[in-house]
Amino acid sequence: DGGITQSPKYLFRKEGQNVTLSCEQNLNHDAMYWYRQDPGQGLRLIYYSQIVNDFQKGDIAEGYSVSREKKESFPLTVTSAQKNPTAFYLCASRIQGADTEAFFGQGTRLTVV
Amino acid sequence: SQKIEQNSEALNIQEGKTATLTCNYTNYSPAYLQWYRQDPGRGPVFLLLIRENEKEKRKERLKVTFDTTLKQSLFHITASQPADSATYLCALDTDKLIFGTGTRLQVFP
Repeated sequence: DGGITQSPKYLFRKEGQNVTLSCEQNLNHDAMYWYRQDPGQGLRLIYYSQIVNDFQKGDIAEGYSVSREKKESFPLTVTSAQKNPTAFYLCASRIQGADTEAFFGQGTRLTVV
Repeated sequence: SQKIEQNSEALNIQEGKTATLTCNYTNYSPAYLQWYRQDPGRGPVFLLLIRENEKEKRKERLKVTFDTTLKQSLFHITASQPADSATYLCALDTDKLIFGTGTRLQVFP
């Protein structure tokens, strides 16, 4: 089945540690996105990529890093520089460009203690 | 600054009534606008996309309007059902998707 997969679903980390969230898609989509969602709020864009080996900062990129070495994969690293990393992280993909729907993964809930 | 606002944090309506959700934006000129549904603990699911040259789009009990002069989109669910209870998100569609804050809809019997 085609789809977009995030792993793990729940992640616990100690403060000060870097952590990498996985996002894989087999939809042959060029564009991929990372969002952060805090309780009762909408989605805020962290990073996005339109093509392999290229990505752009979103509205809240500080404290995060990404890579896009393969079309299928867009991992997000939450670094120790991120002040409030505890949140629900969502990955999405879609065919290149606007005017197309986005498909979301099931999300990763990160808790930093 | 660029802002996308959705009306009220929560909307409660009775089953069978029409729910109307609002999405207002400033300092954007999107050619497309999308609406998504999100259930608790899940990723959003696409519902409808409307283009700037389309005044209205329909899909079953859903209807979306897009007024680029007012910088506003309205999302209607007719004959609402308890199963429609969820958070609804609008998204401005440029080279990236920018989401609003969402409106939590509760349909009670």
